[in-house]
Amino acid sequence: AQSVTQPDIHITVSEGASLELRCNYSYGATPYLFWYVQSPGQGLQLLLKYFSGDTLVQGIKGFEAEFKRSQSSFNLRKPSVHWSDAAEYFCAVGAGNQFYFGTGTSLTVIP
Amino acid sequence: GAVVSQHPSWVICKSGTSVKIECRSLDFQATTMFWYRQFPKQSLMLMATSNEGSKATYEQGVEKDKFLINHASLTLSTLTVTSAHPEDSSFYICSAVKPGRTSNEQFFGPGTRLTVL
Repeated sequence: AQSVTQPDIHITVSEGASLELRCNYSYGATPYLFWYVQSPGQGLQLLLKYFSGDTLVQGIKGFEAEFKRSQSSFNLRKPSVHWSDAAEYFCAVGAGNQFYFGTGTSLTVIP
Repeated sequence: GAVVSQHPSWVICKSGTSVKIECRSLDFQATTMFWYRQFPKQSLMLMATSNEGSKATYEQGVEKDKFLINHASLTLSTLTVTSAHPEDSSFYICSAVKPGRTSNEQFFGPGTRLTVL
């Protein structure tokens, strides 16, 4: 069965520090991979996606993610976090005609 | 682009009443739309898959008689919460798949906050 795991429920980083949010998936074939961000009371905003090709994907707001097939991972990174990045982050896998979401990682940014 | 809207963005209703939430694909036709439910501090849970012109497919544990889904056109799907109760209070999010895409990418609406008093 397909599954998405985000091991970190909550992460706190200082503004200006680097960030890495982890995502592991379980799927038989090469999946379509997505990262979304959700601010409180808001819908989902797509940060980036991986379908095929270059395994390092650039997204909006300075985010990037790297697909590592050997590790079944698609970790999200940002070199320098801004206070406005504080939000909930969801990793998702597109498989068949459905999405499978991770449980989310809540990011707190301290000044 | 691929824009999905939801209406209303928030609604408060009394227990026992019914509430209809609309999901529209504004600049494309969507044969398939999805309805999700999200509890505070939790991830999205798929409720049902809505297919234009046919009955919706509900996930296990979702009461189809309580959550009525109608996908009457290629740009509109509606979710009606019938006889709402406080435990139905939640954030409801819809998404739509753009035809021709092989990537399974879903485009999400901004969500509807339902509060049942």
